[in-house]
Amino acid sequence: DAKTTQPPSMDCAEGRAANLPCNHSTISGNEYVYWYRQIHSQGPQYIIHGLKNNETNEMASLIITEDRKSSTLILPHATLRDTAVYYCIVSKFGGSQGNLIFGKGTKLSVKP
Amino acid sequence: ETGVTQTPRHLVMGMTNKKSLKCEQHLGHNAMYWYKQSAKKPLELMFVYSLEERVENNSVPSRFSPECPNSSHLFLHLHTLQPEDSALYLCASSQVGQGDNEQFFGPGTRLTVL
Repeated sequence: DAKTTQPPSMDCAEGRAANLPCNHSTISGNEYVYWYRQIHSQGPQYIIHGLKNNETNEMASLIITEDRKSSTLILPHATLRDTAVYYCIVSKFGGSQGNLIFGKGTKLSVKP
Repeated sequence: ETGVTQTPRHLVMGMTNKKSLKCEQHLGHNAMYWYKQSAKKPLELMFVYSLEERVENNSVPSRFSPECPNSSHLFLHLHTLQPEDSALYLCASSQVGQGDNEQFFGPGTRLTVL
């Protein structure tokens, strides 16, 4: 079973920030938080990952709480092309298998 | 383009047919994965190959048979499938053991079993 909990769906207005929450209260010390997204009928796409510090890249920002039990993915200026299912995953860094366990994710709908 | 290609993109087969799905990665990775995504279900990990050895088989029925002849190629051989096997089959690759677990996914093969 996935170790994360996400709301099943969210809406966001185009041009506004989309804030997607994730709970991972049982995360262990050597597990990272990964975010992927899947646009309809395509393969999942990596977005960002982090351990305990906040991270930012060209796609998004990741805010992890100090106790690491939850995180928020921020898309600063959502566009219609950001409509997708967003998956929050916890996984060990540098493991020999690199397994990712996907849950049901959050379906983000960006509306004009 | 993610550097992971899959063929065919769409496949329709009868329950008595034998077919194969192909995946190729051009990223120099050392691990490859097969996932199954049924309608309205999360992605399910089927097989993991790390350094060309199968390291995980998540209780997948024997009618699915993976093959990894080298680190760049991965096949999924299908035989005597059932209609409930209709799904999107996704291949992914990553570089394990030396850093993060970022997986790169192919576009998938949409399989329909009649």
